Amino acid sequence: ILNVEQSPQSLHVQEGDSTNFTCSFPSSNFYALHWYRWETAKSPEALFVMTLNGDEKKKGRISATLNTKEGYSYLYIKGSQPEDSATYLCALYNTNAGKSTFGDGTTLTVKP
Amino acid sequence: NAGVTQTPKFQVLKTGQSMTLQCAQDMNHNSMYWYRQDPGMGLRLIYYSASEGTTDKGEVPNGYNVSRLNKREFSLRLESAAPSQTSVYFCASSVGGASGGLRYEQYFGPGTRLTVT
Repeated sequence: ILNVEQSPQSLHVQEGDSTNFTCSFPSSNFYALHWYRWETAKSPEALFVMTLNGDEKKKGRISATLNTKEGYSYLYIKGSQPEDSATYLCALYNTNAGKSTFGDGTTLTVKP
Repeated sequence: NAGVTQTPKFQVLKTGQSMTLQCAQDMNHNSMYWYRQDPGMGLRLIYYSASEGTTDKGEVPNGYNVSRLNKREFSLRLESAAPSQTSVYFCASSVGGASGGLRYEQYFGPGTRLTVT
């Protein structure tokens, strides 16, 4: 079982603040890393698929970077809005067999 | 497209009862997954099916069985439910497989909330 760690566990910010959180993983046998957004009472929704060292992906105010050599990915949210409140999960694939390991998530609360 | 559908949405079982959770996807995905989500914990993989005809254990397979009925459907069976199996169960699918390249993002169903008393 791979050890995928996310930090911090929770984060409270004010509307308009920018924030970031980390997903750490074993760098050996890296294949792909995904970020998901999970709102309360809904299902996880895919944000990014990252595969190459140095990848940077962006969707609106949310962006992510990947460093496979040191085993981490950052997720950034610029100008947080209350609707960004959710749990953000990362999931690691270390082979192409289809099985991923999820971190426990970072729960973001954005106060108006 | 409906995406990933799960039935039932809610279920209450008594200890020792059995039931099957159904999952279907209409995206022609190769891989399908069953997760459980418990308070304060992330998603834990119970079983997965990388492609039609194959199934493999995940992190927490004990007490469960699965069937990949065809490419669309992947069911999860609890043979003798226990209170420790009270959880929210999510089914997911992804393109997966050798032909899917690196696009392995998973698409999740709405979840089944199961309570075992």
